[in-house]
Amino acid sequence: GAGVSQTPSNKVTEKGKYVELRCDPISGHTALYWYRQSLGQGPEFLIYFQGTGAADDSGLPNDRFFAVRPEGSVSTLKIQRTERGDSAVYLCASSLSPNNEQFFGPGTRLTVL
Amino acid sequence: QQQVKQSPQSLIVQKGGISIINCAYENTAFDYFPWYQQFPGKGPALLIAIRPDVSEKKEGRFTISFNKSAKQFSLHIMDSQPGDSATYFCAADLSGGSNYKLTFGKGTLLTVNP
Repeated sequence: GAGVSQTPSNKVTEKGKYVELRCDPISGHTALYWYRQSLGQGPEFLIYFQGTGAADDSGLPNDRFFAVRPEGSVSTLKIQRTERGDSAVYLCASSLSPNNEQFFGPGTRLTVL
Repeated sequence: QQQVKQSPQSLIVQKGGISIINCAYENTAFDYFPWYQQFPGKGPALLIAIRPDVSEKKEGRFTISFNKSAKQFSLHIMDSQPGDSATYFCAADLSGGSNYKLTFGKGTLLTVNP
C-alpha cells in the first residue's frame, strides 16, 4: 500500500505553543521511529517504538518532547512550550521489525516563530 | 561529539563521471553502515548498506568501499546521471545490528550536470 505519511506537511507556530505531529506508518510495520533533521544536518534519532511501547526514548532532547503510539500503529509526537530551536523537519520512519529497512515519510517542517 | 564525519559537503560531477563521498567513524562498536539518498521534500531512502565483514559491496552503479582499520567507508557512484542529483547521507549503527539508532553524517549535496 502507501508509504509512511506524515501530517501536517508544514506547521508554523509561535514560541510557547503546543504542537502535535502525526505519523501513519506502513500497514503491518511494528517498529516506528522519530528523527529530527535540522537545516544542513543529518537526521538525529529521537525515539523508537516497538508495538505500543517506547523501546528507546534516549534521543528526546528534554521533557517538553513526548510521543505516543497507543494502538501500535499511528504515532503522535507532542512538543510543549515550543522554542525557536525546535524548528526543524521531523521525520517518521517505520520498519517491518527492528532489523529491517526503515522507510521514511516526507517529514513535517516545523517553524517556531 | 560528531561520531560520523562526512565529506565533502557538496560535490559537482559531470554526467558519466564518478561521484565519491567519504565517511569516517569513531565508535568501533558500529557494525552496520548504510547510505541514504534524499531528494528535496522527501524523506531519506536506503540506497545500499554494508557490514564490516566485507570490504566492498556493489549494487548496480553504487559501490560501498569499507576500510575497518582506518574506520572509513565511502560511496562510489559510477556513470553518474542528472537523476542522481540529491543529498546523500552515510550512517552507522551499533553492534548487534539493531538498526534503529542510526547515527547520520551531515550529508553531501551531489549535483550531476548534464
